[in-house]
Amino acid sequence: DAGVIQSPRHEVTEMGQEVTLRCKPISGHNSLFWYRQTMMRGLELLIYFNNNVPIDDSGMPEDRFSAKMPNASFSTLKIQPSEPRDSAVYFCASSLSGRTGNTEAFFGQGTRLTVV
Amino acid sequence: DQQVKQNSPSLSVQEGRISILNCDYTNSMFDYFLWYKKYPAEGPTFLISISSIKDKNEDGRFTVFLNKSAKHLSLHIVPSQPGDSAVYFCAASRGNYGQNFVFGPGTRLSVLP
Repeated sequence: DAGVIQSPRHEVTEMGQEVTLRCKPISGHNSLFWYRQTMMRGLELLIYFNNNVPIDDSGMPEDRFSAKMPNASFSTLKIQPSEPRDSAVYFCASSLSGRTGNTEAFFGQGTRLTVV
Repeated sequence: DQQVKQNSPSLSVQEGRISILNCDYTNSMFDYFLWYKKYPAEGPTFLISISSIKDKNEDGRFTVFLNKSAKHLSLHIVPSQPGDSAVYFCAASRGNYGQNFVFGPGTRLSVLP
């Protein structure tokens, strides 16, 4: 398996523009997570899905952020409109969750977003 | 309020010696704990985990110790190697179906040759 695949690796955009980050989880995994890493806050969970259903989106900063998981092999994180303070590295991760507990989460390479 | 804490932002160790990274958590519902290693410009990579039914788990040079009563875990690396230089994240989750992982802020380990 190629692991968790994120695209793009780098994104530079102007303030006010829409940004869409993409993630393909590991095949067979049923949980998907979006994290954001900043110097100030470290790795913070934005949202996670289980079986394509959003379970906890309390980490989504504000209404400008939205995430979807239309099927088990694809998820998007959208920021509209983007602001300079959204600049960060965004990670997608996936895991296999079951009734006996979780396995570890596997991370993608991340998308470095810069909003100017 | 941070549920997972790593109070040492950085740690320097001589090559060949032991590295000890510490982590504390506040939520007593956590029952599965993990350590991740992160190199610059890469995603975190899983290193080792431990379930709350154990107090120790070992994998090669890496050992994780869990003290449930103190809500504390530690990662020991013996012997430390320069390639171990990275940021180490402690993470915790509840072992129920579909629970998320909560990460600490990380500790930057530098192993000096």
